Amino acid sequence: EAGVTQFPSHSVIEKGQTVTLRCDPISGHDNLYWYRRVMGKEIKFLLHFVKESKQDESGMPNNRFLAERTGGTYSTLKVQPAELEDSGVYFCASSQEVAGVGEQYFGPGTRLTVT
Amino acid sequence: GQNIDQPTEMTATEGAIVQINCTYQTSGFNGLFWYQQHAGEAPTFLSYNVLDGLEEKGRFSSFLSRSKGYSYLLLKELQMKDSASYLCAVSPWTPGAGSYQLTFGKGTKLSVIP
Repeated sequence: EAGVTQFPSHSVIEKGQTVTLRCDPISGHDNLYWYRRVMGKEIKFLLHFVKESKQDESGMPNNRFLAERTGGTYSTLKVQPAELEDSGVYFCASSQEVAGVGEQYFGPGTRLTVT
Repeated sequence: GQNIDQPTEMTATEGAIVQINCTYQTSGFNGLFWYQQHAGEAPTFLSYNVLDGLEEKGRFSSFLSRSKGYSYLLLKELQMKDSASYLCAVSPWTPGAGSYQLTFGKGTKLSVIP
């Protein structure tokens, strides 16, 4: 069974540009989470999808971040326009539980560098 | 607010036992997770505790005391490949929220030396 995959693995962009990160969850997992780790800080929650619906987006830092999950399969996270403080590693995770907490399977992350 | 504390770094000898502590203060509690993360890789699940007590899984064990807001991860018979970061995470789910996001500590970097 394939794990959670993320693309690209690395991205270097200039301040003001746009970047789109992609996450493919484990097949059949309805729950999809985005997290971010800024250098020196802990991994922080961004948002949670259940199928194609946003269940919780309380962690999204501002309106420069837009997440979508059309069709309830893969998800994209767009940053537009990117700022220096957006640099970090963006993780995606998926889980199968439909009610209650369950193990979240993480992808390897996308390392975003904004210069 | 949510706060999870764990030591930044630890060093232990191959073949020994090491205990990594985690204390937490969260609004609502629906379980505590331990993840292992090697540099540049995905965090991988190690254990989940929701009730007080010890959960054992091979060389790894995890303990939880909800009244004390405390957990530890115990690694036995350390191997060089156990050198990694160990992340303590709490699911601070509260009824009606509908989301099972994880709140993480900063992680403990464990170095296993010969």
